[in-house]
Amino acid sequence: GAVVSQHPSWVICKSGTSVKIECRSLDFQATTMFWYRQFPKQSLMLMATSNEGSKATYEQGVEKDKFLINHASLTLSTLTVTSAHPEDSSFYICSARMGQGGDTQYFGPGTRLTVL
Amino acid sequence: QKEVEQNSGPLSVPEGAIASLNCTYSDRGSQSFFWYRQYSGKSPELIMSIYSNGDKEDGRFTAQLNKASQYVSLLIRDSQPSDSATYLCAVFISGGYNKLIFGAGTRLAVHP
Repeated sequence: GAVVSQHPSWVICKSGTSVKIECRSLDFQATTMFWYRQFPKQSLMLMATSNEGSKATYEQGVEKDKFLINHASLTLSTLTVTSAHPEDSSFYICSARMGQGGDTQYFGPGTRLTVL
Repeated sequence: QKEVEQNSGPLSVPEGAIASLNCTYSDRGSQSFFWYRQYSGKSPELIMSIYSNGDKEDGRFTAQLNKASQYVSLLIRDSQPSDSATYLCAVFISGGYNKLIFGAGTRLAVHP
Protein backbone atom coordinates (compact mmCIF):
# COMPACT_ATOMS: atom_id res chain seq x y z
CA GLY A 1 0.00 0.00 0.00
CA ALA A 2 0.82 3.74 -0.01
CA VAL A 3 2.07 3.96 -3.56
CA VAL A 4 2.68 7.29 -5.23
CA SER A 5 3.34 7.58 -8.94
CA GLN A 6 4.73 10.43 -11.02
CA HIS A 7 4.55 11.07 -14.71
CA PRO A 8 6.66 11.58 -16.69
CA SER A 9 9.73 10.02 -15.12
CA TRP A 10 11.96 12.23 -17.24
CA VAL A 11 11.43 15.06 -19.67
CA ILE A 12 13.62 17.16 -21.92
CA CYS A 13 12.27 20.43 -23.19
CA LYS A 14 13.38 23.61 -24.89
CA SER A 15 13.91 26.82 -22.97
CA GLY A 16 10.73 28.88 -22.76
CA THR A 17 8.30 25.98 -22.89
CA SER A 18 6.09 24.75 -20.06
CA VAL A 19 6.18 21.31 -18.54
CA LYS A 20 3.49 19.59 -16.49
CA ILE A 21 4.31 16.87 -13.98
CA GLU A 22 1.60 14.68 -12.48
CA CYS A 23 1.63 13.09 -9.05
CA ARG A 24 -0.91 10.44 -8.14
CA SER A 25 -1.62 8.51 -4.97
CA LEU A 26 -2.62 5.10 -6.29
CA ASP A 27 -4.11 3.33 -3.30
CA PHE A 28 -5.01 6.02 -0.81
CA GLN A 29 -6.54 9.44 -0.65
CA ALA A 30 -4.05 12.22 -0.14
CA THR A 31 -5.47 15.40 1.29
CA THR A 32 -1.99 16.89 1.28
CA MET A 33 0.73 16.58 -1.31
CA PHE A 34 4.17 18.11 -1.32
CA TRP A 35 6.51 19.12 -4.11
CA TYR A 36 10.27 18.99 -3.67
CA ARG A 37 13.21 19.85 -5.86
CA GLN A 38 16.64 18.31 -5.56
CA PHE A 39 19.79 19.42 -7.34
CA PRO A 40 22.70 16.97 -7.72
CA LYS A 41 24.41 16.12 -4.45
CA GLN A 42 22.12 18.46 -2.53
CA SER A 43 19.34 17.81 -0.08
CA LEU A 44 15.62 17.90 -0.73
CA MET A 45 14.14 21.37 -0.94
CA LEU A 46 10.45 21.74 -0.23
CA MET A 47 8.84 23.95 -2.85
CA ALA A 48 5.20 23.93 -1.84
CA THR A 49 2.46 22.20 0.10
CA SER A 50 -0.75 21.44 -1.71
CA ASN A 51 -4.08 20.71 -0.07
CA GLU A 52 -6.93 19.28 -2.08
CA GLY A 53 -9.32 21.94 -3.23
CA SER A 54 -7.32 24.93 -2.02
CA LYS A 55 -4.41 27.04 -3.13
CA ALA A 56 -0.91 25.74 -2.60
CA THR A 57 1.34 27.20 0.07
CA TYR A 58 4.73 28.06 -1.35
CA GLU A 59 8.00 28.12 0.54
CA GLN A 60 9.95 31.32 0.75
CA GLY A 61 11.83 32.05 -2.44
CA VAL A 62 9.71 29.81 -4.68
CA GLU A 63 7.93 31.74 -7.43
CA LYS A 64 4.29 30.72 -7.42
CA ASP A 65 3.70 32.15 -10.89
CA LYS A 66 6.49 30.02 -12.28
CA PHE A 67 5.65 26.80 -10.49
CA LEU A 68 1.91 26.33 -10.79
CA ILE A 69 0.42 23.71 -8.53
CA ASN A 70 -3.05 22.24 -8.80
CA HIS A 71 -4.54 19.67 -6.43
CA ALA A 72 -7.97 19.13 -7.90
CA SER A 73 -8.71 15.71 -6.44
CA LEU A 74 -7.71 13.54 -3.51
CA THR A 75 -5.45 11.46 -5.73
CA LEU A 76 -3.91 13.93 -8.15
CA SER A 77 -1.68 16.97 -7.91
CA THR A 78 0.12 18.62 -10.80
CA LEU A 79 3.15 20.88 -10.98
CA THR A 80 3.59 23.02 -14.07
CA VAL A 81 6.95 24.63 -14.64
CA THR A 82 6.13 27.64 -16.82
CA SER A 83 8.61 29.19 -19.24
CA ALA A 84 11.28 26.76 -18.18
CA HIS A 85 14.94 27.76 -18.31
CA PRO A 86 18.11 25.70 -17.97
CA GLU A 87 18.43 26.64 -14.31
CA ASP A 88 15.10 24.88 -13.69
CA SER A 89 16.71 21.58 -14.65
CA SER A 90 16.43 19.43 -11.57
CA PHE A 91 14.89 16.33 -10.01
CA TYR A 92 11.31 17.08 -8.99
CA ILE A 93 9.76 14.77 -6.42
CA CYS A 94 6.27 14.74 -5.02
CA SER A 95 5.07 13.13 -1.84
CA ALA A 96 1.64 12.45 -0.44
CA ARG A 97 0.22 12.21 3.03
CA MET A 98 -2.82 10.15 3.93
CA GLY A 99 -5.91 12.06 4.85
CA GLN A 100 -6.92 10.67 8.20
CA GLY A 101 -4.48 12.17 10.67
CA GLY A 102 -1.45 10.59 9.08
CA ASP A 103 1.88 12.34 9.22
CA THR A 104 3.83 9.85 7.16
CA GLN A 105 4.80 11.01 3.70
CA TYR A 106 5.22 8.62 0.79
CA PHE A 107 7.34 9.74 -2.11
CA GLY A 108 6.82 9.35 -5.80
CA PRO A 109 9.70 8.13 -7.97
CA GLY A 110 10.57 11.62 -9.14
CA THR A 111 10.74 13.42 -12.48
CA ARG A 112 14.04 14.46 -13.97
CA LEU A 113 13.64 17.69 -15.93
CA THR A 114 16.29 18.86 -18.37
CA VAL A 115 15.79 22.22 -20.03
CA LEU A 116 17.95 22.84 -23.08
CA GLN B 1 13.80 28.10 12.52
CA LYS B 2 13.01 24.40 12.84
CA GLU B 3 16.17 22.40 12.19
CA VAL B 4 17.23 18.82 11.74
CA GLU B 5 20.95 18.13 11.82
CA GLN B 6 22.86 15.17 10.46
CA ASN B 7 26.50 14.51 9.74
CA SER B 8 26.94 14.51 5.99
CA GLY B 9 29.46 11.68 6.06
CA PRO B 10 30.46 9.65 4.27
CA LEU B 11 30.20 7.03 6.95
CA SER B 12 32.22 4.06 5.82
CA VAL B 13 31.67 0.65 7.41
CA PRO B 14 32.79 -2.84 6.44
CA GLU B 15 30.25 -5.38 5.29
CA GLY B 16 28.66 -7.15 8.25
CA ALA B 17 29.31 -4.32 10.70
CA ILE B 18 26.75 -2.12 12.46
CA ALA B 19 26.20 1.29 10.91
CA SER B 20 25.06 4.01 13.30
CA LEU B 21 23.40 7.12 11.89
CA ASN B 22 22.54 10.06 14.11
CA CYS B 23 20.20 13.00 13.97
CA THR B 24 19.35 15.91 16.28
CA TYR B 25 16.39 18.24 16.02
CA SER B 26 15.54 21.62 17.43
CA ASP B 27 11.76 21.53 17.94
CA ARG B 28 11.14 20.15 21.42
CA GLY B 29 7.46 19.61 20.69
CA SER B 30 8.02 17.18 17.80
CA GLN B 31 6.30 13.83 18.19
CA SER B 32 6.90 12.00 14.91
CA PHE B 33 10.23 10.96 13.45
CA PHE B 34 11.14 9.17 10.25
CA TRP B 35 14.10 7.65 8.50
CA TYR B 36 14.22 7.55 4.71
CA ARG B 37 16.77 5.95 2.43
CA GLN B 38 17.69 7.57 -0.87
CA TYR B 39 19.79 5.84 -3.48
CA SER B 40 21.66 8.03 -5.92
CA GLY B 41 19.31 9.32 -8.61
CA LYS B 42 16.22 7.92 -6.90
CA SER B 43 13.56 9.36 -4.63
CA PRO B 44 13.46 8.73 -0.86
CA GLU B 45 11.84 5.57 0.45
CA LEU B 46 10.51 5.22 3.97
CA ILE B 47 12.44 2.85 6.21
CA MET B 48 10.97 3.47 9.63
CA SER B 49 8.88 5.78 11.74
CA ILE B 50 9.18 6.18 15.50
CA TYR B 51 6.96 8.07 17.91
CA SER B 52 7.90 6.92 21.43
CA ASN B 53 11.10 7.07 23.40
CA GLY B 54 13.18 3.94 23.19
CA ASP B 55 13.98 1.47 20.46
CA LYS B 56 11.93 0.21 17.55
CA GLU B 57 13.21 -2.72 15.55
CA ASP B 58 12.31 -3.80 12.02
CA GLY B 59 14.50 -6.49 10.58
CA ARG B 60 18.09 -5.27 10.45
CA PHE B 61 17.02 -1.72 11.29
CA THR B 62 16.59 -0.24 14.75
CA ALA B 63 15.43 3.30 15.32
CA GLN B 64 16.18 4.92 18.67
CA LEU B 65 14.48 8.01 20.03
CA ASN B 66 15.36 10.18 23.00
CA LYS B 67 13.03 13.16 23.17
CA ALA B 68 14.71 14.65 26.24
CA SER B 69 17.97 14.87 24.32
CA GLN B 70 16.19 15.67 21.03
CA TYR B 71 18.06 12.86 19.38
CA VAL B 72 17.06 10.08 17.01
CA SER B 73 19.30 7.44 15.52
CA LEU B 74 19.19 4.54 13.09
CA LEU B 75 21.22 1.38 13.51
CA ILE B 76 21.73 -0.97 10.61
CA ARG B 77 22.95 -4.41 11.65
CA ASP B 78 24.85 -6.74 9.36
CA SER B 79 25.41 -3.92 6.88
CA GLN B 80 25.40 -4.92 3.23
CA PRO B 81 26.84 -3.12 0.20
CA SER B 82 23.24 -2.66 -0.95
CA ASP B 83 22.69 -0.47 2.13
CA SER B 84 25.04 2.12 0.62
CA ALA B 85 22.85 5.18 0.19
CA THR B 86 22.02 8.52 1.75
CA TYR B 87 19.88 8.27 4.87
CA LEU B 88 17.54 11.16 5.58
CA CYS B 89 16.21 11.93 9.03
CA ALA B 90 12.85 13.71 9.04
CA VAL B 91 10.90 15.29 11.87
CA PHE B 92 7.22 16.18 11.66
CA ILE B 93 6.58 19.71 12.85
CA SER B 94 2.96 20.34 13.83
CA GLY B 95 1.34 23.46 15.23
CA GLY B 96 0.78 25.36 12.05
CA TYR B 97 3.63 23.94 10.03
CA ASN B 98 2.26 20.42 9.52
CA LYS B 99 5.15 19.27 7.42
CA LEU B 100 8.29 17.18 7.55
CA ILE B 101 11.60 18.88 8.05
CA PHE B 102 14.44 16.89 6.52
CA GLY B 103 18.05 16.75 7.51
CA ALA B 104 20.62 17.05 4.76
CA GLY B 105 21.29 13.32 4.97
CA THR B 106 24.20 11.07 5.87
CA ARG B 107 25.91 9.17 3.09
CA LEU B 108 26.65 5.58 4.07
CA ALA B 109 29.20 3.47 2.22
CA VAL B 110 29.39 -0.23 3.02
CA HIS B 111 32.50 -1.80 1.59
CA PRO B 112 33.00 -5.54 1.01
